[in-house]
Amino acid sequence: KAGVTQTPRYLIKTRGQQVTLSCSPISGHRSVSWYQQTPGQGLQFLFEYFSETQRNKGNFPGRFSGRQFSNSRSEMNVSTLELGDSALYLCASSLLGAGTPTEAFFGQGTRLTVV
Amino acid sequence: EDKVVQSPLSLVVHEGDTVTLNCSYEVTNFRSLLWYKQEKKAPTFLFMLTSSGIEKKSGRLSSILDKKELFSILNITATQTGDSAVYLCAPYSGNTGKLIFGQGTTLQVKP
Repeated sequence: KAGVTQTPRYLIKTRGQQVTLSCSPISGHRSVSWYQQTPGQGLQFLFEYFSETQRNKGNFPGRFSGRQFSNSRSEMNVSTLELGDSALYLCASSLLGAGTPTEAFFGQGTRLTVV
Repeated sequence: EDKVVQSPLSLVVHEGDTVTLNCSYEVTNFRSLLWYKQEKKAPTFLFMLTSSGIEKKSGRLSSILDKKELFSILNITATQTGDSAVYLCAPYSGNTGKLIFGQGTTLQVKP
């Protein structure tokens, strides 16, 4: 059974550009959550999608957005990149995520560097 | 505001030692608590705890949850150098996939 796949693994962008990251969840999983990990702030919740709907959003500016497709794959977009957006972006896949506790499995992450 | 505090923040032990990692939380609409091990990249799932007092075990690792006192512990017995990692606890908040992560405990196991 394939795990959670994130692409690309590494990205270098310049300030002001935009970037799109992709996450393919485990087959059959309908919930995809995104997290930002930095040395100073740790792992912080960005947003969660379930059946193409954003159900929850963390405290990030509107430059951070996402979407989910009918096959449960999700994309995250960051516009007008800032140096502080340099981080490891992780997505987590879970089976339900709708009131029933479920395990969440992470992808390998996308390391974004903004220069 | 949701809060998760892990202690200690870092720990250095020798192979064969037993360690106990702590996680206390204050989270709205608590559902469950997950433990992860993070080495270089992705956090690797260890346990999901939903009920108080029921120990989950996997090899040398075990974990328990106390929903009344709002904490969880992760025990590792007979530690090995391969246990060196950051251990993260993360309660689920609400009905959605929002995990609230603690700062993590960095464990270093020396030969």
